[in-house]
Amino acid sequence: GAVVSQHPSRVICKSGTSVKIECRSLDFQATTMFWYRQFPKQSLMLMATSNEGSKATYEQGVEKDKFLINHASLTLSTLTVTSAHPEDSSFYICSALKEQTGYGQETQYFGPGTRLLVL
Amino acid sequence: AQSVTQLDSHVSVSEGTPVLLRCNYSSSYSPSLFWYVQHPNKGLQLLLKYTSAATLVKGINGFEAEFKKSETSFHLTKPSAHMSDAAEYFCVVTRLDLYNTDKLIFGTGTRLQVFP
Repeated sequence: GAVVSQHPSRVICKSGTSVKIECRSLDFQATTMFWYRQFPKQSLMLMATSNEGSKATYEQGVEKDKFLINHASLTLSTLTVTSAHPEDSSFYICSALKEQTGYGQETQYFGPGTRLLVL
Repeated sequence: AQSVTQLDSHVSVSEGTPVLLRCNYSSSYSPSLFWYVQHPNKGLQLLLKYTSAATLVKGINGFEAEFKKSETSFHLTKPSAHMSDAAEYFCVVTRLDLYNTDKLIFGTGTRLQVFP
């Protein structure tokens, strides 16, 4: 199997505080992880690609100073929403890339998501 | 640029009847295509993927999809719907970035309702 966990599953915080979300690949190593954002009843939007041991690459329009990503080990990536505001309230989902033998056999496995509510 | 269009935002079927969720893609190169399912309060689950092998792809839970290059389509089907199939379904295409990393581009999703 390929299991990805996220912690916490739900967080409520006050405006101006920072929130850290963890993404772990439980039974495989992942050099690459991804962070997505999903608004209610909408699709997933890729925010950034997290690479172990190097800086994350951010999609156009995503503030790198607002959404800090650290991929410190092959099984853990963290997303920190700094100085959170109500407009940052959303569902954040991570995925971990599991590489398998053969070309084109990489598959992303998704975590269950973290619902962030900023008051 | 790579993109997918899911033609129906909502699909309703009766239990035991066939399911068809439509997806058209746009890609400047031979794409990898996926269908993911999202149940409430659960993580996205991969149903099936196409990576330029057989054009008819069989996935989990009885789902399958056919890659039709001439129609740029990748529709998801199931012969007989089950109540547990009610969920949000996403058609996904890959996009290569500057570092040759495959990134997923999600469609807007189709909500499948299954009535008894």
